[in-house]
Amino acid sequence: EAGVAQSPRYKIIEKRQSVAFWCNPISGHATLYWYQQILGQGPKLLIQFQNNGVVDDSQLPKDRFSAERLKGVDSTLKIQPAKLEDSAVYLCASSSNKGGVRNSPLHFGNGTRLTVT
Amino acid sequence: SQKIEQNSEALNIQEGKTATLTCNYTNYSPAYLQWYRQDPGRGPVFLLLIRENEKEKRKERLKVTFDTTLKQSLFHITASQPADSATYLCALDFSTGRRALTFGSGTRLQVQP
Repeated sequence: EAGVAQSPRYKIIEKRQSVAFWCNPISGHATLYWYQQILGQGPKLLIQFQNNGVVDDSQLPKDRFSAERLKGVDSTLKIQPAKLEDSAVYLCASSSNKGGVRNSPLHFGNGTRLTVT
Repeated sequence: SQKIEQNSEALNIQEGKTATLTCNYTNYSPAYLQWYRQDPGRGPVFLLLIRENEKEKRKERLKVTFDTTLKQSLFHITASQPADSATYLCALDFSTGRRALTFGSGTRLQVQP
């Protein structure tokens, strides 16, 4: 099966600019996640979708970050305006939820590396 | 608050030896624990999942243990190879109020030929 696709692979922007990332999960996977990974740290959950509904966005900085998952498939994550501390890798993951959400491994894309200058 | 601790210092071992990585957690009793491998510039890749009622799980050269009394998981790679060099992340399901995985910061393993 094809893996999780993300684009772009790299992005460099200046602070206060806006940026958007795109994710296409594995076909048939109902749950989609966006994680932020700062250098030297583990991935931190930003938002979780179940189909096209938000399950958890408690750690999403909603004053500048937004995400949507139209039609329960592709997803976009947007940052506007960007800050220096947003420099990180943004990882998208999906899971099939067979056997339950908590019991399902995550399949990650290779991420978008964002540098804010 | 709930916390996951992995050794932040890199683990250097000789090829052929067994690598043992540790994952400790506090203030929660997760029902599931997962281990992932991450190579530079790539997303994490799922390796193993262990449930709270399973003491040990094996897959080829990999073995995971889960001690809910000590609040600790150990991840072993036997007969290690240079290709095993990567960062290994443990992840827990802190399911009170949230269903997604919470990841530790990972331990980098370097296997010397």
